[in-house]
Amino acid sequence: QQQVKQSPQSLIVQKGGISIINCAYENTAFDYFPWYQQFPGKGPALLIAIRPDVSEKKEGRFTISFNKSAKQFSLHIMDSQPGDSATYFCAAISTLLQGAQKLVFGQGTRLTINP
Amino acid sequence: SQTIHQWPATLVQPVGSPLSLECTVEGTSNPNLYWYRQAAGRGLQLLFYSVGIGQISSEVPQNLSASRPQDRQFILSSKKLLLSDSGFYLCAWSAVRWGAGELFFGEGSRLTVL
Repeated sequence: QQQVKQSPQSLIVQKGGISIINCAYENTAFDYFPWYQQFPGKGPALLIAIRPDVSEKKEGRFTISFNKSAKQFSLHIMDSQPGDSATYFCAAISTLLQGAQKLVFGQGTRLTINP
Repeated sequence: SQTIHQWPATLVQPVGSPLSLECTVEGTSNPNLYWYRQAAGRGLQLLFYSVGIGQISSEVPQNLSASRPQDRQFILSSKKLLLSDSGFYLCAWSAVRWGAGELFFGEGSRLTVL
């Protein structure tokens, strides 16, 4: 299975609150799990990423929690700000033939932070 | 530092016309290069990838083709566009071979086929 399932599809959070986005995967061949942030009309930008041998990674207000046994991972945005309003994609990476990386994306979560 | 350029940013083309989208990467050598397509409000689908000059692999059958004439140049083409080719096309690069590594995306090219 090459799917990554992401929820919720949309999320509205008040300024200063915690935004939580969840993802689940089936393929145990995935070996890297990045999160991307995308603003309208722009390409996705790498936000934070985690390897499966780590249970949590924090960078500033952004934290990834990873549960290898459950094949689930989540993004937490602490103290959410209006500038965080964007679409967020979780992803999983496996290795293609010839050594390139295949990025499988979740369906995306449209996050709106109300001021 | 590495940068990725993609052009044109916006393109409106009639059905049956040809297409050429270009992508170049600066600041790195021998990158892996990728073309993705994003349908409105949805995730990204991998179309092509390349690990070297002239080496192109296709992930899905379609009306499009890709070429890599130079180490840091990746081109997406079509001889005759279909309505279904409309979408947001993204070029990406990665540096890692046979391991886990991030992909970095360009700003995208929005194609509308009328």
